[in-house]
Amino acid sequence: NAGVTQTPKFQVLKTGQSMTLQCAQDMNHEYMSWYRQDPGMGLRLIHYSVGAGITDQGEVPNGYNVSRSTTEDFPLRLLSAAPSQTSVYFCASSSPSGRAVDTQYFGPGTRLTVL
Amino acid sequence: DQQVKQNSPSLSVQEGRISILNCDYTNSMFDYFLWYKKYPAEGPTFLISISSIKDKNEDGRFTVFLNKSAKHLSLHIVPSQPGDSAVYFCAAHDNNAGNMLTFGGGTRLMVKP
Repeated sequence: NAGVTQTPKFQVLKTGQSMTLQCAQDMNHEYMSWYRQDPGMGLRLIHYSVGAGITDQGEVPNGYNVSRSTTEDFPLRLLSAAPSQTSVYFCASSSPSGRAVDTQYFGPGTRLTVL
Repeated sequence: DQQVKQNSPSLSVQEGRISILNCDYTNSMFDYFLWYKKYPAEGPTFLISISSIKDKNEDGRFTVFLNKSAKHLSLHIVPSQPGDSAVYFCAAHDNNAGNMLTFGGGTRLMVKP
């Protein structure tokens, strides 16, 4: 049971390049989300999905695209990288538990630098 | 404007003593609060939570206190251990925002042997 996995661990891009950050979970969780972590800002929600085929925007969605074709995978696409997207990116998943809030399980993160 | 704030970016404590990490919020619609712990090069992991209808929740060495009138919560770790050294994030859930969370900026705790 690998939990939430993210690839790559590190990436350096030039301004204007595109790339996809991969996220996969093997817990059959319905909810998946992408956060970015910047110093002093905590984690901010980029996009999220409540199930295959369903995605929505979070707090900071501009410059990012997502899709959810399967329950397991939730890739994050940067269409034209900008230095402001230099950050650490975390993917998370959770499953409805009947409680008020479900525990989110995070991947190890991808550290992205845009030059 | 940040709705969840952790005003102390870092905290240093001696092993065996109490660690107190603080968190303030502004949104009165938050109905659930969580603390996550993060080690370097790893993702955050869930630590403890509290519902807005309670004022205290305890789990072993970890206790979270909630003061709704002050919009303030705190995490107490007693006794602190070197393995507790990590970044701690406070997070809040808005009942009107689905399953998503709003995070504070984090506090780096260093427990000295």
